[in-house]
Amino acid sequence: DVKVTQSSRYLVKRTGEKVFLECVQDMDHENMFWYRQDPGLGLRLIYFSYDVKMKEKGDIPEGYSVSREKKERFSLILESASTNQTSMYLCASSLPQGARGYEQYFGPGTRLTVT
Amino acid sequence: TQLLEQSPQFLSIQEGENLTVYCNSSSVFSSLQWYRQEPGEGPVLLVTVVTGGEVKKLKRLTFQFGDARKDSSLHITAAQPGDTGLYLCAGARGYKYIFGTGTRLKVLA
Repeated sequence: DVKVTQSSRYLVKRTGEKVFLECVQDMDHENMFWYRQDPGLGLRLIYFSYDVKMKEKGDIPEGYSVSREKKERFSLILESASTNQTSMYLCASSLPQGARGYEQYFGPGTRLTVT
Repeated sequence: TQLLEQSPQFLSIQEGENLTVYCNSSSVFSSLQWYRQEPGEGPVLLVTVVTGGEVKKLKRLTFQFGDARKDSSLHITAAQPGDTGLYLCAGARGYKYIFGTGTRLKVLA
């Protein structure tokens, strides 16, 4: 079974702090994703990585950066946390796109509160 | 601008009832997926539909992709408490999936 793990289930940080969210997958997937989930807005893509050291901006990259130094690990960084970044953060991984798209496997999420 | 609107947003029904959830857009998607998310977990893929008009069945769940590949529906027959969760549609545009606003379903025993 594919397993995607995230470093914390709950996190509370202060405004202005640097925040690291870690994600690890054990299925040798090329693609990894970071989303945030807010009520009524669904999931919105922050960043996407299709290979080690490769990244693409998603729909809402402002205020975030990412790092992928190893294939199995994808980190999301909030350089200076703000209250509007309070949200549920979901990491996902997948194989490359095929004829029927690709299936994303999600981690359990990290609920981040910025005070 | 939200590209994928789901309706209804919330649905609370009794066990044994039937229901339909809709996923609508003005944009064309190359494929469309449905996920279910339970509390404290990430979304889990239920189905992928690719061809306009495609119908897929998964036990009591029936998924349909619109002929023009702009919309989709999920029909659940004889709902059970285990169907409770957040249902999300996601449409493929290039390398990305655009997720819908979600339908939160509660099935009462």
